[in-house]
Amino acid sequence: KNEVEQSPQNLTAQEGEFITINCSYSVGISALHWLQQHPGGGIVSLFMLSSGKKKHGRLIATINIQEKHSSLHITASHPRDSAVYICAADSNYQLIWGAGTKLIIKP
Amino acid sequence: EAGVVQSPRYKIIEKKQPVAFWCNPISGHNTLYWYLQNLGQGPELLIRYENEEAVDDSQLPKDRFSAERLKGVDSTLKIQPAELGDSAVYLCASSFRAWRGGEPLNTGELFFGEGSRLTVL
Repeated sequence: KNEVEQSPQNLTAQEGEFITINCSYSVGISALHWLQQHPGGGIVSLFMLSSGKKKHGRLIATINIQEKHSSLHITASHPRDSAVYICAADSNYQLIWGAGTKLIIKP
Repeated sequence: EAGVVQSPRYKIIEKKQPVAFWCNPISGHNTLYWYLQNLGQGPELLIRYENEEAVDDSQLPKDRFSAERLKGVDSTLKIQPAELGDSAVYLCASSFRAWRGGEPLNTGELFFGEGSRLTVL
């Protein structure tokens, strides 16, 4: 079993839909990262969080330390949100990467 | 402020040739990472530096790969000789890790360069 698991692996939705991507981890962490990678593009950090909730524009990230679970939400999704979303657990000074969720938003 | 700068962006070489990649991290960032990313897959750590010290190079194929981080700032990653299977994107990332009482805190926000795409023919 992977130490960091994401679901779903692939997600296709219509423009405007509310999107949720989940990340579960089995290790102790000091922080949880959410990152975005557009096709053929570089990796961009979206959030780093260790508790509670963070919001940036249409993106919201939450984390439940007790349940070892984090979610990334996208409100009013847009085709430009189409990308791979990756969570990475900051554990014991190392980053443990999830496999990524490929999101496609159709106009 | 400039982000993480990598060069070259693209490199095509024949197998058995050497190749080098360069990374200039964000000013003040003490942690530097080199990752390898194959198409459709997540990044795989090759080496992590804390300042000038390589603290995690367990996944670096040391028979052909080498890296250095001079003065704890810029870094180079070298492959010699390159093999067909080395074709990938090589990503550099940096972050600022805070320390408290001699103990490292979390990684800090990660900043990635655009990557260097290597094609070995």
